[in-house]
Amino acid sequence: DGGITQSPKYLFRKEGQNVTLSCEQNLNHDAMYWYRQDPGQGLRLIYYSQIVNDFQKGDIAEGYSVSREKKESFPLTVTSAQKNPTAFYLCASSIGGTPNTEAFFGQGTRLTVV
Amino acid sequence: KNQVEQSPQSLIILEGKNCTLQCNYTVSPFSNLRWYKQDTGRGPVSLTIMTFSENTKSNGRYTATLDADTKQSSLHITASQLSDSASYICVVSARGSARQLTFGSGTQLTVLP
Repeated sequence: DGGITQSPKYLFRKEGQNVTLSCEQNLNHDAMYWYRQDPGQGLRLIYYSQIVNDFQKGDIAEGYSVSREKKESFPLTVTSAQKNPTAFYLCASSIGGTPNTEAFFGQGTRLTVV
Repeated sequence: KNQVEQSPQSLIILEGKNCTLQCNYTVSPFSNLRWYKQDTGRGPVSLTIMTFSENTKSNGRYTATLDADTKQSSLHITASQLSDSASYICVVSARGSARQLTFGSGTQLTVLP
């Protein structure tokens, strides 16, 4: 089945630790995105990538890092510099560059700092 | 700044009833508008996508409308079912923007038996 897969579904982090969230897609999409969702708020863009080996900061990139070494993969690292990392993280992909581009979302990773 | 406002923030209805959710946007230049359904703890799933020239589009019991002049959209749900309980998110795409998507904060719909 084609789709976008995030792992793990739940993740617990101790303060001061870095953690990496996985996002893989087999839709042959060029563009990939990471969003953060907090209760009562719209999704906020962390990072996005339009092609392999290139990525851009979104609106709330501080304390996060990404890589795009392969078209299929766009992992997100939440570093210790992120002061409030507890949230629901969503990865998405899209063909990109077309007027009716639709973003397909993964099932999300819920990160909790303990 | 591009913005998408949704109302109401939450809504409770009885099974079988109809309801309408609202979305106002200030995204420019406008490319398209999507409504997504997000079940608790899951990723959003697209319901409809509307471009500038489309006024109405249906997907089963879901009917979306778009007024590009007033920059308003609505999502009408007919004969609601318990499985309609979810957050409904309005997402607007800006033409030519690499960031592409501006999200509303969603309307949390609860359908009671």
